[in-house]
Amino acid sequence: GAVVSQHPSRVICKSGTSVKIECRSLDFQATTMFWYRQFPKQSLMLMATSNEGSKATYEQGVEKDKFLINHASLTLSTLTVTSAHPEDSSFYICSAHRPGQVNTEAFFGQGTRLTVV
Amino acid sequence: AQSVTQLDSQVPVFEEAPVELRCNYSSSVSVYLFWYVQYPNQGLQLLLKYLSGSTLVKSINGFEAEFNKSQTSFHLRKPSVHISDTAEYFCAVRGGYSTLTFGKGTMLLVSP
Repeated sequence: GAVVSQHPSRVICKSGTSVKIECRSLDFQATTMFWYRQFPKQSLMLMATSNEGSKATYEQGVEKDKFLINHASLTLSTLTVTSAHPEDSSFYICSAHRPGQVNTEAFFGQGTRLTVV
Repeated sequence: AQSVTQLDSQVPVFEEAPVELRCNYSSSVSVYLFWYVQYPNQGLQLLLKYLSGSTLVKSINGFEAEFNKSQTSFHLRKPSVHISDTAEYFCAVRGGYSTLTFGKGTMLLVSP
């Protein structure tokens, strides 16, 4: 079964509003989680690395103030898209690793389809 | 720095035919290699991985991939595909303690 759960799977919001996406590790504690963005028919682009109890590490070109990441517990990371615009519409996916296994497989959430109208 | 190249964006194939999805990588350090499958509007599922040991790795649903260090390749193969194998397949590499780097993906289209 799924070991990483992402919610919601789909969300439609109006321009200018904020949307929060949750990523939970279900049967292990994840000190590090990753947030990706996927454009249609393209690969995953790493947005940021979410670190429990500290600030997220953002990839170059990703706006920190627009994509707020909070990793408040060892099983939950949230991505908030603030003041959403239509160009933020995309598929967002999170991933996590089992403790001590950062170099091995990543478990992915089901993804969130965000549509900004 | 590391990178992954999936040369084919789309591979059409008839049911029960064999298929190979190509993946080449570049990295300055030893790597771990992965194939992930993505069905429409879903997250990624690990198909198989190479970490060390035997260079031929297999999945439970008939896929296999072989790590070829000299050719820096990790091609995915299946001797006989099913309609249900239709999906997007991503090759990924991790070198050392770096993050995962994905290829652009290959859409496998299986038709009757």
